[in-house]
Amino acid sequence: EIALTQSPATLSLSPGERATLSCRASQSIRNYLVWYQQKPGQAPRLLIYDASNRATGTPARFSGSGSGTDFTLTISSLEPEDFAVYYCQQRSDWYTFGQGTKVEIK
Amino acid sequence: EVQLLESGGGLAQPGGSLRLSCEASGFTFSSHSISWVRQAPGKGLEWVSDINSSGGTTQYADSVKGRFTISRDNSKNTLYLQMNSLRAEDTAVYYCAREIRYCSGRKCSGPSSDYWGQGTLVTVSS
Repeated sequence: EIALTQSPATLSLSPGERATLSCRASQSIRNYLVWYQQKPGQAPRLLIYDASNRATGTPARFSGSGSGTDFTLTISSLEPEDFAVYYCQQRSDWYTFGQGTKVEIK
Repeated sequence: EVQLLESGGGLAQPGGSLRLSCEASGFTFSSHSISWVRQAPGKGLEWVSDINSSGGTTQYADSVKGRFTISRDNSKNTLYLQMNSLRAEDTAVYYCAREIRYCSGRKCSGPSSDYWGQGTLVTVSS
């Protein structure tokens, strides 16, 4: 089973700052990496598919990069509504999730 | 508007059974694979199972294999998850999610879950 490790577990930033979230796979998953955002009490929301493609409705301040085993989600300038938990999910072999990164207000 | 509505959650005893349903509307249900994803209280997301558009192909996480069965009735636009031999560690909110591949010409992306229901809570406790 392919494991995904997200870092850091928590990111404390202020609105307007840049957020950089990491997701590392235990083996190559090519570009089959998806990013989701989840707010308390809500279902996850699709942000990025195939590592770097924004889903419909995802703001341009969200960008994804990487391939193979190392992936990054970048939020260029944090808006108040971006404080949430972010999960990566691999779609190469079964569909495992990372443990999540919480982006909190500093 | 795409909607997914889960039901059937509740309290079950260890070793017991529950059947979850996910009723879909606003899209052609029979054209999409659908997944079940769960989230234990205060924990992260865990993929549980998925089923292809026709219902002929299913996949399960090792943690539920042999105990859970996913199925669908395309005539009723409904997905099911039959959960048997329930354990305390199955306690979670269970979400159903529509699977999509974005295609441009003959090239399609990998799958992702673009619409999710609001979830149904399953509690396994004596």
